[in-house]
Amino acid sequence: EVQLAESGGGLVQPGGSLRLSCAASGFTFSSYNMNWVRQSPGRGLEWISYISSSSGPIYYADSVKGRFTISRDNAKNSLYLHMNSLRDEDTAVYYCATTGSYGVNSFHYWGQGTLVTVSS
Amino acid sequence: DIQMTQSPSSLSASVGDRVTISCRASQSIASYLSWYQQKPGKTPKFLIFDASSLQSGVPSRFSGSGSGTDFTLTISSLQPEDFATYYCQQGYSTPWTFGQGTKVEIK
Repeated sequence: EVQLAESGGGLVQPGGSLRLSCAASGFTFSSYNMNWVRQSPGRGLEWISYISSSSGPIYYADSVKGRFTISRDNAKNSLYLHMNSLRDEDTAVYYCATTGSYGVNSFHYWGQGTLVTVSS
Repeated sequence: DIQMTQSPSSLSASVGDRVTISCRASQSIASYLSWYQQKPGKTPKFLIFDASSLQSGVPSRFSGSGSGTDFTLTISSLQPEDFATYYCQQGYSTPWTFGQGTKVEIK
């Protein structure tokens, strides 16, 4: 069974940093492209970053470019999101999700999400 | 960025009704359109890819159509478990963007 489990969320002050992790199991993680997608009441569902299976092409949404860094460790079946210079508007549930198995740039498998709250 | 606009934002329907949700892209996205279902407190569930291809395990009462800028998700006979919020998403160009969602409520 495919499982994606995010962790690392929590309360952080504006300007602070946080690292999210996504542990994958039940599939060949190293063969899948991965993403971070976030959801908040104000911004809805928002794709924020993509990394290819081999850490080759990496893309970011403009809203996080220069502040967030996506990475992965295929040996550990793990995906990461390093978040710096956090802002109030970064408050959201953060999901990791796969792409590439079905459709073009569709998000097939999703984790359960981890909540990030940016507030003083 | 490509904007995705869904209509309506919400609808009320009864079990057994045929439900249609529209999604319009601000520019042509060919058939690179996916649909997701999300229930309260749950993760989005992948339903349809490439505008009309049903993901494995998704009931056949769900169908998708369209290409270019106009797309439709249809539920042929609404079931109790279908009450949820539905999102479209374009995979044509980054940033990949979602519609604002359509909430399907019980009448």
